[in-house]
Parts: sequence; structure tokens; C-alpha cells
Amino acid sequence: QVQLQESGPGLVKPSETLSLTCTVSGGSISSSYWNWIRQPPGKGLEWIGFIYYSGSTNYNPSLKSRVTISVDTSKNQFSLKLSSMTAADTAVYYCARGSVTLDYWGQGTLVTVSS
Amino acid sequence: DIQMTQSPSSLSASVGDRVTITCRASQGISTYVAWYQQRPGKVPKLLIYAASTLQSGVPSRFSGSGSGTDFTLTISSLQPEDVATYYCQNYNRAPYAFGQGTKLEIK
Repeated sequence: QVQLQESGPGLVKPSETLSLTCTVSGGSISSSYWNWIRQPPGKGLEWIGFIYYSGSTNYNPSLKSRVTISVDTSKNQFSLKLSSMTAADTAVYYCARGSVTLDYWGQGTLVTVSS
Repeated sequence: DIQMTQSPSSLSASVGDRVTITCRASQGISTYVAWYQQRPGKVPKLLIYAASTLQSGVPSRFSGSGSGTDFTLTISSLQPEDVATYYCQNYNRAPYAFGQGTKLEIK
């Protein structure tokens, strides 16, 4: 059973860069696509982007200028960096597996942007 | 970008009722639609992909249909554990947008 776990700071200051890591267990990261999705409190889901284990990426154009997703196959992890954070980026951030449909999700981590 | 519009935004029904949620894409996306269930305080769960294929382990009271721009998620007999917000998702072309969600409650 594939499991994903997000890790990273729960509080980020405005204008700073968010860094999150997703650790994959129960399966190899070298076999699928790996996504980041976010959900502002009380709102809907927003797809941020994905990475293939080879390193190829696809980002949501609305965030593309601020997003970097990377993969570390040796650690079975992939990561999200989101720069120039504002209050509008406050959300639960999820990592998930899937090339397009998302069949395994992490539990999510709440990131709050505040000074 | 392809927009996904769900209706209704919220819905209240009785246990045993047949419930239908609609999702409309802003342009044709063949059958590249998935449906997710998010119970209160929980992680989204994949229910249906390719518009009508049930994900393994999902109860058979859930079904999906549609192609092109119009899609539906149907629950044939509503159960208390189906209280959740349901999202459709386009995966024909990036960005893989979700609908705004339909909140389903029990009367």
C-alpha cells in the first residue's frame, strides 16, 4: 500500500518561499507521476503541478512563475517550492500520486502565511 | 484553460434517495473526467475515472456518465456515510482543474 506524507513548516512569512517535502513509502517513486494540490480553508481544490520521476514537470499556469517541483529518487521523495508567498497561499497542501487521476493522497499539511 | 462547473453547489437529500451531481466542461474533454469524494475533515478520495470507471473498492451505488462537455455523478441510494463534498476534475489537458465542489448533506 502506497503511503505519502507531507512535511514542512506550518507557518511562512509573507514574501518568503514555502518548501514542502512528500515522502513516499510502500512503493517506488520511480514508477509514476507525483502531484501537489492545495485547498484554502473552506474552499475547493487547486492542482499545482506534477513531476515524473525522470524530472519532467507540468505546472498550473496560474502559479508557474512561482513554483518549482523536484524529485529525489534516492530518498523516494519529491518537493514543492512556492516563492513570494502571500496570505492567499494559506491552504492545506496535499501531495498525491497519479499521472492525471490521483489515487493515493497524503494527509495534507496546513500552511499559514502570516508575519 | 478548461473550466469545470458543477451544479448544484449544495444538495440535501434523504437516505435512500437517488442523487445526481452535474459537471460541465468549458470545452470538450472526451471522457477525461474524474470524480472525488471529500468527507468532512478528510482527504479527497478517487471515486470514478474515465467518466464512468469505478475505482477499486468504491461501492457500486456510485456511477458516472457523460462525454464531451457534460458529465454526471449518481448515487443510486444515498447512505449516511455519503455526506461529503464531491469534486469533478478535468484531466484531458493541463491545468487539471477541479470543479468548485458540491456539498451533499442528509435531510
